[in-house]
Amino acid sequence: DAGITQSPRHKVTETGTPVTLRCHQTENHRYMYWYRQDPGHGLRLIHYSYGVKDTDKGEVSDGYSVSRSKTEDFLLTLESATSSQTSVYFCATQTGPFFNEQFFGPGTRLTVL
Amino acid sequence: EDKVVQSPLSLVVHEGDTVTLNCSYEVTNFRSLLWYKQEKKAPTFLFMLTSSGIEKKSGRLSSILDKKELFSILNITATQTGDSAVYLCAVITQGGSEKLVFGKGTKLTVNP
Repeated sequence: DAGITQSPRHKVTETGTPVTLRCHQTENHRYMYWYRQDPGHGLRLIHYSYGVKDTDKGEVSDGYSVSRSKTEDFLLTLESATSSQTSVYFCATQTGPFFNEQFFGPGTRLTVL
Repeated sequence: EDKVVQSPLSLVVHEGDTVTLNCSYEVTNFRSLLWYKQEKKAPTFLFMLTSSGIEKKSGRLSSILDKKELFSILNITATQTGDSAVYLCAVITQGGSEKLVFGKGTKLTVNP
């Protein structure tokens, strides 16, 4: 793997609370991504980053924001969690300048009650 | 809307069988297709295919892309119980905002 860690690994929270998930990488990869994985939907891209302070939206970005103040850290924030955001969240990093091989973190299982 | 469809959704075989997993796609500005294996954790990369007709091979796994017919197949020969996993296909689209579009996966179960 590419030295990718995610924290927390599991979280249970209540509707309406803010939640921040952290992705940390040690490989100095420029590109980082947040996905969510749900039964029946597969993996879907939430947001991605192509450099420090450079981010863009994916296909399911509503209700999520991201920040990248350092190369190694990519934060995903749910401003006000909803039950529909219960999911497994994966962070990924990319080795090259364009989409090619991506390495995934271990995932965070988030439950919103 | 970009779409990646995998078939079958699930498959049960016996050790030693050969399996073929399918991935078809409809996307604007295709760039590459990726295959991943996902067990009870994060996906792990298998292959990236960019050119038609060139087979990529790794041990008992092989894959090929047909850009004219818009599909790829992943073959696994002499399956083992350790091959049991969900196999994900994803397509990279190129353009102003590149992205990776995943299929829903094929769940393969290999019984002893």
